[in-house]
Amino acid sequence: DIQMTQSPASLSASLGETVSIECLASEDIYNNLAWYQQKPGKSPQLLIYYASSLQDGVPSRFSGSGSGTQYSLKINSLESEDAATYFCLQDSEYPPTFGGGTKLELK
Amino acid sequence: QVQLKETGPGLVQPTQTLSITCTVSGFSLTSYYMQWVRQTPGKGLEWMGFIRSGGSTEYNSEFKSRLSISRDTSKNQVFLKMNSLKTEDTGVYYCARETTEGSSYYFDYWGQGVMVTVSS
Repeated sequence: DIQMTQSPASLSASLGETVSIECLASEDIYNNLAWYQQKPGKSPQLLIYYASSLQDGVPSRFSGSGSGTQYSLKINSLESEDAATYFCLQDSEYPPTFGGGTKLELK
Repeated sequence: QVQLKETGPGLVQPTQTLSITCTVSGFSLTSYYMQWVRQTPGKGLEWMGFIRSGGSTEYNSEFKSRLSISRDTSKNQVFLKMNSLKTEDTGVYYCARETTEGSSYYFDYWGQGVMVTVSS
């Protein structure tokens, strides 16, 4: 199975700041990497697919990049509604595997 | 408008069988793979298995011996059944739709999830 190592596990940032979250795959996943936002008690919401494609309706302050085994999610100009847990999912090879999640707290 | 909604028991006794239904709308089950994912305190998010648009299934080897996924396309429903439940199976169970675009594969829509507690 492909292992997804996500970092950091938690993050504290201020409104207006820019943050980045990383996912490292144990092997090449050919850009089949998606990023999700999950708020407590809610289902995951797709932000980015295929490493860098923005899902319809997602604010442009979210962006994804990377290739091969290294991928990142960047959130520009943090807003209060961005407080959530973020996780990555690789769907390049079965079984699909998830990163451990990053809990983003707004100061 | 794409929607997925899971329904199932909130409480299941150890050794018993869990049955969850995912009812979808806004798309056809014959056009998409449907996935099952669970989120547990112990292991976080885990992929459980899927049913292909054609109706065949694949399972995570961790659950293979006790997991079954099926569907009723006439009712737009996908079913998860897992037997021999243990307390470690306590968590939130989600169905999700998988979309394929060229070389990309991703889970684009998820249900709200159903919380399942395994306890006597």
